[in-house]
Order: sequence, then C-alpha cells, then structure tokens
Amino acid sequence: GQQLNQSPQSMFIQEGEDVSMNCTSSSIFNTWLWYKQEPGEGPVLLIALYKAGELTSNGRLTAQFGITRKDSFLNISASIPSDVGIYFCAGQLQGGSEKLVFGKGMKLTVNP
Amino acid sequence: DTAVSQTPKYLVTQMGNDKSIKCEQNLGHDTMYWYKQDSKKFLKIMFSYNNKELIINETVPNRFSPKSPDKAHLNLHINSLELGDSAVYFCASSRWTGPRGDTQYFGPGTRLTVL
Repeated sequence: GQQLNQSPQSMFIQEGEDVSMNCTSSSIFNTWLWYKQEPGEGPVLLIALYKAGELTSNGRLTAQFGITRKDSFLNISASIPSDVGIYFCAGQLQGGSEKLVFGKGMKLTVNP
Repeated sequence: DTAVSQTPKYLVTQMGNDKSIKCEQNLGHDTMYWYKQDSKKFLKIMFSYNNKELIINETVPNRFSPKSPDKAHLNLHINSLELGDSAVYFCASSRWTGPRGDTQYFGPGTRLTVL
C-alpha cells in the first residue's frame, strides 16, 4: 500500500531546543495533517495543510506542505516537557478517497 | 462535551470470544472510521462509513463487522477473537467533503487484549 516515510523515528532533546521532523512519499498528496498522540490517548490534530507550499503555524508549531506535494515538515520551537509524545504525519492521496495514510510516528522525549 | 467517545477503554478477553466496541461522536459529522494501532504504534485504517454506508473496507478479516445504526454511531463487532487482534482500536470522525475528505478527529482508543 501507500507509504509515508517519517523521520526521525525518535528524538531526545533538552527543554528549550527546537525540533524538526518530516514526512516524504513517492506519491502526491492533496492534504497533509500532523497529529500528536500522548500515552493512553487518541491522536490529536495539530495542523492541517491543504495547499502546496502552504506554511501554517499553531503556537510554537510550524508545518509546511511541500511544493512537490510529496512531503511535509513540522517544526517545534522552544520545546517544553509537555511536548513529549508521538507525532504522526498523515496524508490524503491525490485522486484517492478520504482514507488517511499515516507515517510510523516520531517519538519525542524532552528532558527538563 | 466529549467529541468522539469509545467504550470500553480496556477490553481483556479470551481467544475465540466475540466482543464489541462502541463509538459515538457529537460533532455532527457524517463520516466515521475505525483504525487499528499495533504494538509498534502504526495506525492503519480498517473501515469508513459515510451516512451509515460503508465506503472503505481495507481487506480486514470478515471476523470484523462494523455497524452504523446512525450517523453518530459506528460500532465494531469482532467474532472469534485471535491473539493477533490485540491492539488499540481508534474510532474517528470527519465531515464528508467528497473525495478530498476533511480533518479527522479521533476518540481515546480501546485497548483490546486477547489472552
């Protein structure tokens, strides 16, 4: 099936540091979404991107929809301990249904 | 004021049993989904319903049968449970905006353990 390659798979950072993660694919996507999942909870939407080149911020989070429509990145600035969790990218394929394809997630650990 | 709710939160059962998981959303959405998250945290869609009609079925074994009594509910029934069914099952919902879809909102998950 379709795959999203999400990297890195995990990161250990100090509080206050910035962190970047990205997703790539060989397929073209109409929509890119970034979710965060905390232990014992469902994924929570952070940012939704609908247009190639779109750059969107949500507080300390910034995400971009790649111009080729095959990639997206998420940046977190000035990390804090509550940023810990698993971050997932997800996309809806061009010409596809509303089915979301998920990346494998990036586990973030923030040391105080 | 929970948006997407699931019951139960935890389900422990023996192999071969039949069990159901319920999902309800109060967001006024008309599309609902079931996802399975394995031990490696990989999320994969299983089913999607739009206005009570099945629109996605990702080659899930037919031991899994979703049922949507109305737009706000999507239940998942599993027959003859197997060890490999152990996972966290997430319900999600969204507005239907045609093939492009819309942002999906997830429930808190049901952790199923098959012994």
